[in-house]
Amino acid sequence: EAGVVQSPRYKIIEKKQPVAFWCNPISGHNTLYWYRQNLGQGPELLIRYENEEAVDDSQLPKDRFSAERLKGVDSTLKIQPAELGDSAVYLCASSLVALAGVREQFFGPGTRLTVL
Amino acid sequence: AQKITQTQPGMFVQEKEAVTLDCTYDTSDPSYGLFWYKQPSSGEMIFLIYQGSYDQQNATEGRYSLNFQKARKSANLVISASQLGDSAMYFCAMREDLTGANSKLTFGKGITLSVRP
Repeated sequence: EAGVVQSPRYKIIEKKQPVAFWCNPISGHNTLYWYRQNLGQGPELLIRYENEEAVDDSQLPKDRFSAERLKGVDSTLKIQPAELGDSAVYLCASSLVALAGVREQFFGPGTRLTVL
Repeated sequence: AQKITQTQPGMFVQEKEAVTLDCTYDTSDPSYGLFWYKQPSSGEMIFLIYQGSYDQQNATEGRYSLNFQKARKSANLVISASQLGDSAMYFCAMREDLTGANSKLTFGKGITLSVRP
């Protein structure tokens, strides 16, 4: 079974440029997450989708970040315009709703963004 | 206050020996879950082990076991018989409100483990 797929793996842009990341979750997983991981830190949640609906976007900087999950499958995270402080690894994860409440999350390899 | 605290500096262990990675947490929710993830240099977060707050026994998964001390709010990861491939960053994480709709994972800062041959 294929895992969570993300692209690109690496992206280098100049500040003020736009950038987009793509995520394809594990087939059948209705919940999708975007995390940002700064250097030397653990991941921090940006947004969580249940199917097509963004149910938790409280940590998403809405002035420059946007996300969408059309048809409840693939998702795109966009930054426009990018700032130097956006340099980080952007991780996508997915999970299946489980009655036990464990909801193990499976992570993709991440996109490493460098803003110059 | 931080919800997940991992304060150990980089850890070193000899191949085939056991190592303990520390994690303390802070929550007032009676229903929560604790997770450990491994992140090798490739970047992917790999789920290792889970402990629920109501679980009576410590969780074990192969060479991984979780030393869960609820009163002390600690959930240390024990890796037995270390292998060179265990060299990675290790993150402790917690999810509160297991019975509700919230599925947000809060991560610690991680611990670097290096296994020496």
